[in-house]
Amino acid sequence: AQSVTQLDSHVSVSEGTPVLLRCNYSSSYSPSLFWYVQHPNKGLQLLLKYTSAATLVKGINGFEAEFKKSETSFHLTKPSAHMSDAAEYFCVVSDQWVGGGADGLTFGKGTHLIIQP
Amino acid sequence: EPEVTQTPSHQVTQMGQEVILRCVPISNHLYFYWYRQILGQKVEFLVSFYNNEISEKSEIFDDQFSVERPDGSNFTLKIRSTKLEDSAMYFCASRPEGPYNEQFFGPGTRLTVL
Repeated sequence: AQSVTQLDSHVSVSEGTPVLLRCNYSSSYSPSLFWYVQHPNKGLQLLLKYTSAATLVKGINGFEAEFKKSETSFHLTKPSAHMSDAAEYFCVVSDQWVGGGADGLTFGKGTHLIIQP
Repeated sequence: EPEVTQTPSHQVTQMGQEVILRCVPISNHLYFYWYRQILGQKVEFLVSFYNNEISEKSEIFDDQFSVERPDGSNFTLKIRSTKLEDSAMYFCASRPEGPYNEQFFGPGTRLTVL
């Protein structure tokens, strides 16, 4: 069984300051991990994914995340926040690559990122 | 850029009525999914569909739910007799065959059961 814990339901930062959104996971296998973003009234957009290659993963819009197996973490960071980053962020885990099947994703509860001007 | 589309964006129905939520996955994708998000809660997996049959389903996906790919382009979720607790945002997703491919999500359908 797999699960995801997003440690903060809301994070508020000032524009131009760093962003840190925290995520811990548990998985029976070697997981694939994703961060998705949801802007108001929009679908879920993939920011980045980890699939057992490099542990530091770079995504779109300047975001990156580091897979730390010893800490079972996959925190999302960005050096400098922009107003357009305000959205809901979801950490997601999947064991789907193990059997190559169509397993569903397991989502965290989401972190609402607020950017202060 | 290809997108997953969903219709309608918002559906209001009376308890006990049947609803059909529609999705058009990206055309060369082979795996299809439905998820739901009850207000204030996490996104939950409902069902996956591959090769014209259900591949996996969660315990949420009981006999009230069914999925269909009626014509090679649409992918539908039917709720036979809606309950108040079915009110949620429903997301469709698709992905291509092959390893390490992410799921692409539609914008969602907000279902309100009165």
